[in-house]
Amino acid sequence: KAGVTQTPRYLIKTRGQQVTLSCSPISGHRSVSWYQQTPGQGLQFLFEYFSETQRNKGNFPGRFSGRQFSNSRSEMNVSTLELGDSALYLCASSLAPGDTQYFGPGTRLTVL
Amino acid sequence: AQSVTQLDSQVPVFEEAPVELRCNYSSSVSVYLFWYVQYPNQGLQLLLKYLSGSTLVKGINGFEAEFNKSQTSFHLRKPSVHISDTAEYFCAVSAGGTSYGKLTFGQGTILTVHP
Repeated sequence: KAGVTQTPRYLIKTRGQQVTLSCSPISGHRSVSWYQQTPGQGLQFLFEYFSETQRNKGNFPGRFSGRQFSNSRSEMNVSTLELGDSALYLCASSLAPGDTQYFGPGTRLTVL
Repeated sequence: AQSVTQLDSQVPVFEEAPVELRCNYSSSVSVYLFWYVQYPNQGLQLLLKYLSGSTLVKGINGFEAEFNKSQTSFHLRKPSVHISDTAEYFCAVSAGGTSYGKLTFGQGTILTVHP
């Protein structure tokens, strides 16, 4: 069974731009969560989706948003990029909320 | 709210020696506990998890962890490490209620295995 896939793997943007990251969960998994990983703040929870509904949201500004489609694929969007948004963005999928989460390889975002 | 403290940011060890990576957590409700490993430029790979039942949990690659409720700890151990175990290790918790499904991570422990 294929694992969690994330596209693109690497991305370079400039301040003020916006970006969309994509995540395809493991087949049959219906819950998708997003995390941001930075050297300074470590791994921080962004949001969780299940059945196209956001169930939980972390402590991030409104510039960070996401959605989930009927096939469980998910996207996250960051608008008006700031230098501090440079990070590895990890997506994780699980069968349902609370089940074990399996992570994708991440998207490395660099904001110049 | 939950929090996780990994007591060592870096652990150097020689090949074939035993290792213990320490993790303490704080929570007002029952939690599920996890250890993940991250190799350079990769995502997180699940090593093992504690959901309920036996407090000694065995995972992949010869790792095991013991849940200690009274000490709120979930330390990771391996009796004999290999060079290939060099990586960063993360302890994580999730809880019930409205936080169900949200993982809270520790700051990570970098394990370096020397020949």
